[in-house]
Amino acid sequence: AQRVTQPEKLLSVFKGAPVELKCNYSYSGSPELFWYVQYSRQRLQLLLRHISRESIKGFTADLNKGETSFHLKKPFAQEEDSAMYYCALRIYGNTGKLIFGQGTTLQVKP
Amino acid sequence: GAVVSQHPSWVICKSGTSVKIECRSLDFQATTMFWYRQFPKQSLMLMATSNEGSKATYEQGVEKDKFLINHASLTLSTLTVTSAHPEDSSFYICSARDWQLNEKLFFGSGTQLSVL
Repeated sequence: AQRVTQPEKLLSVFKGAPVELKCNYSYSGSPELFWYVQYSRQRLQLLLRHISRESIKGFTADLNKGETSFHLKKPFAQEEDSAMYYCALRIYGNTGKLIFGQGTTLQVKP
Repeated sequence: GAVVSQHPSWVICKSGTSVKIECRSLDFQATTMFWYRQFPKQSLMLMATSNEGSKATYEQGVEKDKFLINHASLTLSTLTVTSAHPEDSSFYICSARDWQLNEKLFFGSGTQLSVL
């Protein structure tokens, strides 16, 4: 069965500290993974996708097929990074629907 | 960038009535739209995939007669919650795929439905 797991509901760090938001997936096909972010009172928006291998707002994520993980990392957290982060897996087919993890709230303290 | 407009942003209705939620892609064509449901502090649960000009594909456990989806044009999909009950109260989010922008998915701002 396809599944995305984000084990941490809440991650609280101090400004300037490194951040790692964990994401593990279960999928028999070739995975395509994404990280979405939802800032307070705003809509969900794409942060990054593993295919593009880009870094957005200092965040990076590497797909590790051996560990079936796609952890989100940032070396130095900023207060404006405080938000809800969702890891998502795209299911291939005609529609390419997204399956979301439970989400992790990142709280960056001053 | 591409914008998805979702309306209304919140609605309160009486039990037994029907509520329609609209999802529009404002500056792109969306052959596929998705409807999600989100409970407080929980993840987005995919309800159904809406394809323009054809029947929606519902996820397991989602009642198709309860949640009617219509995708009559390339820019509009609607979700109608029929005979709403308090347990249908939730946050509903739509998203639309822009095939021209590397298949990126854009999200509406969501609709908070409260059924009294």
